[in-house]
Amino acid sequence: DNQMTQSPSSLSASVGDRVTITCRAGHTIRNYLNWYQQKPGKAPKLLIYAASSLESGVPSRFSGSGSGTDFTLTISSLQPEDFATYYCHQSYNPPYTFGQGTKLEIK
Amino acid sequence: QVQLQQSGPGLVKPSQTLSLTCAISGDSVSSNSAAWNWIRLSSSRGLEWLGRTYYRSQWYNDYALSVKSRMTINADTSKNQVSLQLNSVTPEDTAVYYCAREYSAGPFRVWGQGTLVTVSS
Repeated sequence: DNQMTQSPSSLSASVGDRVTITCRAGHTIRNYLNWYQQKPGKAPKLLIYAASSLESGVPSRFSGSGSGTDFTLTISSLQPEDFATYYCHQSYNPPYTFGQGTKLEIK
Repeated sequence: QVQLQQSGPGLVKPSQTLSLTCAISGDSVSSNSAAWNWIRLSSSRGLEWLGRTYYRSQWYNDYALSVKSRMTINADTSKNQVSLQLNSVTPEDTAVYYCAREYSAGPFRVWGQGTLVTVSS
């Protein structure tokens, strides 16, 4: 399996802050990297696909970058509805793998 | 638009078989551009990809190594749905199970509502 190492595992921040979450693949996945947001009791929601493409309907404060093995998700100005858990996901080759998740909490 | 509706029991006894279905509307299970995935969420492991089925002139399956010996994913074209069977379950298999449609290059855009399955006697 291509292990995805996501950091930090948790993060406290305030409304208006800029936050960055990182994800590292064990070996190259080119740009086959997706980011999801999950809230309690809900299915994950796709935010970013192909490392940097913003999913339709997702606010532009979300952005993604990276290629190869190192990727980042950035939220430019946190809003109250952004407090959730975020996961990266590699779709380069099965078996697909997810990062361990980053729980974003209100400071 | 594509919608996925999951069904199946919420409680399974240890050593028995977990069975879930995912009914597809707005798309075809035999679509040449789709793959139908199963993922689970547990407090101990976070999101875990389990496997997928897809049709490209014939049916193919991929499975996670952790469940490969116990899992079967099938497509039912007459009902336009996919199913998951996980044999010999233990409490470690307690999780919320999701089906999801995979688009080209792999993102999961459409998800089922999730089914909490508890393995307990």
